[in-house]
Amino acid sequence: NAGVMQNPRHLVRRRGQEARLRCSPMKGHSHVYWYRQLPEEGLKFMVYLQKENIIDESGMPKERFSAEFPKEGPSILRIQQVVRGDSAAYFCASSLVLGGKNIQYFGAGTRLSVL
Amino acid sequence: GQQLNQSPQSMFIQEGEDVSMNCTSSSIFNTWLWYKQDPGEGPVLLIALYKAGELTSNGRLTAQFGITRKDSFLNISASIPSDVGIYFCAGTGDQGAQKLVFGQGTRLTINP
Repeated sequence: NAGVMQNPRHLVRRRGQEARLRCSPMKGHSHVYWYRQLPEEGLKFMVYLQKENIIDESGMPKERFSAEFPKEGPSILRIQQVVRGDSAAYFCASSLVLGGKNIQYFGAGTRLSVL
Repeated sequence: GQQLNQSPQSMFIQEGEDVSMNCTSSSIFNTWLWYKQDPGEGPVLLIALYKAGELTSNGRLTAQFGITRKDSFLNISASIPSDVGIYFCAGTGDQGAQKLVFGQGTRLTINP
């Protein structure tokens, strides 16, 4: 009964490097969401994807950030040329929208530290 | 964008006491969810509410979806040490939008 799996749990990058965060949704779930959490704050929505489609990217920064959810394999959140301000916990959630109800289940997160 | 105001920000209580926290918004929400987050982990769903006025319990937890659809509360009865953590309200607002808007969280500390 695997839940939402995220890896790596911790990621350290130097300024200017690329960060790739992976998320495997719960079995049977075709909706994936990415959120960012800064210390002492709530989660902030970034992007919502279904297989091979970006549905809502209203929370994504315009530059350096991209996300995909390919037909096969995990969803990827990619941050290019990281800066110190990108340091945060990034959470992925998945859901199965049924009868209008959308319950999102979260992974344990990836904690990105930019040196 | 839509915002949720959650209060209190923190609570310090004695074991066995009851706890109450709430969330309010200036705009209507269609779904209210309550999550708990432990240090170093992701949010875990506690209760989901879908209809205005709905009152739902999960063990010692009770939550309600406000009649105006602009607020929700979570009560925890007879608190125990494992209730320690950060509680978040979250909701979906705009019709059809699937993204969750989160409150700022309530940090619960329990003195044994």
